[in-house]
Amino acid sequence: GNSVTQMEGPVTLSEEAFLTINCTYTATGYPSLFWYVQYPGEGLQLLLKATKADDKGSNKGFEATYRKETTSFHLEKGSVQVSDSAVYFCASIPGYSSASKIIFGSGTRLSIRP
Amino acid sequence: DTGVSQDPRHKITKRGQNVTFRCDPISEHNRLYWYRQTLGQGPEFLTYFQNEAQLEKSRLLSDRFSAERPKGSFSTLEIQRTEQGDSAMYLCASIQSSGAANEQFFGPGTRLTVL
Repeated sequence: GNSVTQMEGPVTLSEEAFLTINCTYTATGYPSLFWYVQYPGEGLQLLLKATKADDKGSNKGFEATYRKETTSFHLEKGSVQVSDSAVYFCASIPGYSSASKIIFGSGTRLSIRP
Repeated sequence: DTGVSQDPRHKITKRGQNVTFRCDPISEHNRLYWYRQTLGQGPEFLTYFQNEAQLEKSRLLSDRFSAERPKGSFSTLEIQRTEQGDSAMYLCASIQSSGAANEQFFGPGTRLTVL
């Protein structure tokens, strides 16, 4: 079946540090891959996505590359800010349509110290 | 604000009581999803509607749960005879299924606490 496994948190970093949150997936076929973010007191928001192998999704300084050979979609940011403190979810949707149900990882809580 | 609203935002109830939540999707979206998120976990799919038709239900959706979308607009999720294990955040999302690159928009959720 389809599943997503991501790095357990919490992750605590100092401002301007480099961030990596690991994510791997299992799927039949070629899923679309996503990172969602949940800021304190707010709903889930799409951060970035990639729909095929070698695609790179990017937004707000965050990047993730769809690696078919390692079944991974690691989230990276070169210099984190306090405002990046949130819970990050890696997710997949089987197939091409983004209108299918989303399979989420368990989430990684990120805290950034000033 | 994503345009998807949920009501109430918080609900505290006693075990054995019935509760009902409402989701108002973005008006032109034909597909509506319900997810459940327990503490420290990612959201899990419960059910979805295409217009007014309920097309899929997760095995997580026991017979105490029922969802409706009577006119293809808002949806309700009812839990009968609540149990402490039902305590969770219930999320709603909507999307227009005809666009391949579209995004699912999430509401703020209803946090249920069963005492």
